[in-house]
Amino acid sequence: NAGVTQTPKFRVLKTGQSMTLLCAQDMNHEYMYWYRQDPGMGLRLIHYSVGEGTTAKGEVPDGYNVSRLKKQNFLLGLESAAPSQTSVYFCASSGGGSYNSPLHFGNGTRLTVT
Amino acid sequence: SQQGEEDPQALSIQEGENATMNCSYKTSINNLQWYRQNSGRGLVHLILIRSNEREKHSGRLRVTLDTSKKSSSLLITASRAADTASYFCATVGYSTLTFGKGTMLLVSP
Repeated sequence: NAGVTQTPKFRVLKTGQSMTLLCAQDMNHEYMYWYRQDPGMGLRLIHYSVGEGTTAKGEVPDGYNVSRLKKQNFLLGLESAAPSQTSVYFCASSGGGSYNSPLHFGNGTRLTVT
Repeated sequence: SQQGEEDPQALSIQEGENATMNCSYKTSINNLQWYRQNSGRGLVHLILIRSNEREKHSGRLRVTLDTSKKSSSLLITASRAADTASYFCATVGYSTLTFGKGTMLLVSP
C-alpha cells in the first residue's frame, strides 16, 4: 500500500498564481486533513474533511480552498498565491474521528511563492 | 490554547544513551499522541495515550502522562543513530488535534 501520496513534491509559484495540491490515500479512511508546517510554528491545520463531500475550516483557512469529491482524494487550492503561503504542506488521513485514531501523513509538498 | 509544548527544543546524545522529551499542555485533553518526523519526510505516529492512562510502552519507547500536571514525557531507551529526528506531541481536546513545535533529537554514533 502507498498510504498517503502527495503531488507535486515541490513547486515554485509567482505571487498571484494559482495551483492545486493533490492528496490521495488508499486506506479507505474517512477523515482527511491539510496542514502547513513553518519553521518554529509546528503544524497548523488548514482545512479538514470528515467524509466524501464534506469540508471544514481549521486554524488557518484563509487563502485556501479544498474539495473532497471522492473519498480517496483531498485537494487543496490556492487561488492567488502570496509569499506568506511559502511553506511545507502535509496531507494526512485517519480512519476514526475525534482524533482517537492515529494520523497517517504524506511526505509533503514544499511550496515557494516569490 | 491546548497546544502542547515540547522541552527541550533540541537534544544531542550518544548512541546507547536514553533520550527524554517532555510535553506540557494547558487545558483538559482527550488523548495525547507522539509523532516522529525524519528530515524531509512526513510525520509518523508513535504512540497514543488516552487521558485515563498513565503509562504506555512500544518497543524502546515509553510514554507517561500526568494529567494533574498537564504533562507527558517520551523516553527512548538505548538510542540509535536512526532515532535522529524531530519529535512532536499532539494534544486532543474536544475536536481538534494541536501539535507542538517539536524537539530535535540528534543521536551521534
